[in-house]
This record gives sequence, C-alpha cells and structure tokens, in this order.
Amino acid sequence: GAVVSQHPSRVICKSGTSVKIECRSLDFQATTMFWYRQFPKQSLMLMATSNEGSKATYEQGVEKDKFLINHASLTLSTLTVTSAHPEDSSFYICSARDNLDTQYFGPGTRLTVL
Amino acid sequence: AQSVTQLGSHVSVSEGALVLLRCNYSSSVPPYLFWYVQYPNQGLQLLLKYTSAATLVKGINGFEAEFKKSETSFHLTKPSAHMRDAAEYFCAVTALGRRALTFGSGTRLQVQP
Repeated sequence: GAVVSQHPSRVICKSGTSVKIECRSLDFQATTMFWYRQFPKQSLMLMATSNEGSKATYEQGVEKDKFLINHASLTLSTLTVTSAHPEDSSFYICSARDNLDTQYFGPGTRLTVL
Repeated sequence: AQSVTQLGSHVSVSEGALVLLRCNYSSSVPPYLFWYVQYPNQGLQLLLKYTSAATLVKGINGFEAEFKKSETSFHLTKPSAHMRDAAEYFCAVTALGRRALTFGSGTRLQVQP
C-alpha cells in the first residue's frame, strides 16, 4: 500500500524556537496533504489542508502565521511551528490523499516544547 | 456537514471473542467511510474503506464493516480477537468532492487473555 513518511519522529525544542516537520508520500503523488494534531487520548483534529502549488487552507482557530505550511512538490509538504511554546506540544500527523480519495497517514511527530 | 459518533470509548473483549466497534455517521451527501487503527505513538493505518461499492467491506487483519444506510451505521467487526488487535480505532467520514476526513472520538480496544 501507499507509504507516507514523516521526519523527524520526535523533536524536543526550547520555547521560542521554530521547528520544521516534513511529510513525504514515498510511492505516489499527492496534490493534497493534510496536517492533523492529536492530544493525548483524543481524536485527530484537522489543522490545515495543504495544496501543491497554492496556499494552505486552515481550519477555524488555527493560526496560519504560527503554523506555516509549504507544499512545494507533489510528494512533500512541510509544517513549521514558529516561536513554539509549551502549549504547542502535541503529536502532529500528516496524511496524503491519493487519486482514489483515500488518505494515507504518516507515523506522526511528537513535539515537546520546553 | 458531516459527523461521526463512536459509541463506547473503551471496549474490552477476551481473546478469541467477537469484536464489535460501533460507528454512526451523519452526512447530507453520500458518504465515504473509513476505519483506521492506531498503535501507541504511531500514525494511523487504514483498515478498510467504503466508497459506494459493496456494502460489506473486508479489510486487513480479519476486520470487516458493513455500511447500513437505513441505520447510518458502519460498525467494525472481527470474529475472533487477537492480543495484537489491542489498539485505538477511529471511524472517519468524508464525501466525494470533499477532501478532509472527519474523525470520531476513537474507541480503545483491550483484549484480555
């Protein structure tokens, strides 16, 4: 089946720094990728939809200036958490949508902001 | 608008027993429905999907789900639970032309020896 990778799998950073998370579709092209956030013991909440070659679409309540998304190619989307704070600590998961409307998920990135 | 309700945040079964995880959806358009499984500290793995073809869908690891439009349900079943099935299960809905998935709150499955 389709494979989506994320890098890094785990990152610890100091408050005020920025962190970049990469999401790659390894064996298919994805014009659309999605970024989710998951708090402990909770479901996934959609943060934004990343469209190749255009601006991302953010969900209500998600700060676009804080969570910068770039979808520069059909296999890569990046999420940059700018000026991270402890409340940004979470599990971030990306997914890539194939041409059959199925989303395949990456393994997630655990972000801890000290 | 679309939504998903998963009844039962925790389900516990004995090894070898039937697994039944409930999912009801709400959608104003014909839905596409999915079940995903998540193991600790990992992403989501697709178990199976319904996209308007056969109403009984077979997935990986012996799981299957039946789409029942009259009941707006898409319950996940497995005849015989195995210890390795212990995980979090998420039901999700989308529709043709939509791109985002709407997830249920998840059901944690425990399998007792």
